[in-house]
Amino acid sequence: DIQMTQSPSTLSASVGDRVTITCRASQSISSWLAWYQQKPGKAPKLLIYKASSLESGVPSRFSGSGSGTEFTLTISSLQPDDFATYYCQQYNSYTWTFGQGTKVEIK
Amino acid sequence: QITLKESGPTLVKPTQTLTLTCTFSGFSLSTSGVGVGWIRQPPGKALEWLALIYWDDDKRYSPSLKSRLTITKDTSKNQVVLTMTNMDPVDTATYYCAHLKPGLYYFDYWGQGTLVTVSS
Repeated sequence: DIQMTQSPSTLSASVGDRVTITCRASQSISSWLAWYQQKPGKAPKLLIYKASSLESGVPSRFSGSGSGTEFTLTISSLQPDDFATYYCQQYNSYTWTFGQGTKVEIK
Repeated sequence: QITLKESGPTLVKPTQTLTLTCTFSGFSLSTSGVGVGWIRQPPGKALEWLALIYWDDDKRYSPSLKSRLTITKDTSKNQVVLTMTNMDPVDTATYYCAHLKPGLYYFDYWGQGTLVTVSS
């Protein structure tokens, strides 16, 4: 099974900061990587798919990059609405795996 | 507009079988490429994919839970049903169903989730 490891687990940042979250796969997954945002008590929201494609309606301050085993989610200028937990998710051979999550907190 | 909603018991006893229903609208599970998946999240923990069913009745399961899961669909009712046998307190979680983005293997629409507690 492919394991997904996110870092850091928690991130403290201020409004306006540039934020980067990393996700590593235990083996190559090409570009089959997505990023989700989840707020307390709510379902996850798709932000990025296929490593770098922005989902419709998602602000352009969110971007994704990477391929193979290492991927990043970048928020170019953190906004108050962005304080949440972020998950990466891989797809490979008809199995889906999520990372353990990165909580973005107010500094 | 795609919507999904989970329904089922909020409390089950250990060893019992859980049956959850996902009722959806805005798409058809008879359309090529469409899929519906189930994902769960224990309180304060990460998301875990459980199962997925495709428009052509192809079914996929998490390897670690495969022996306990069954996913089925009723296209005429716009429903997907997940059963999980031999429930244990560690299975306490919010269970979500989600629409698979056709051809891209990601979940673009999610239900609100339903909290299932396993306790005697």
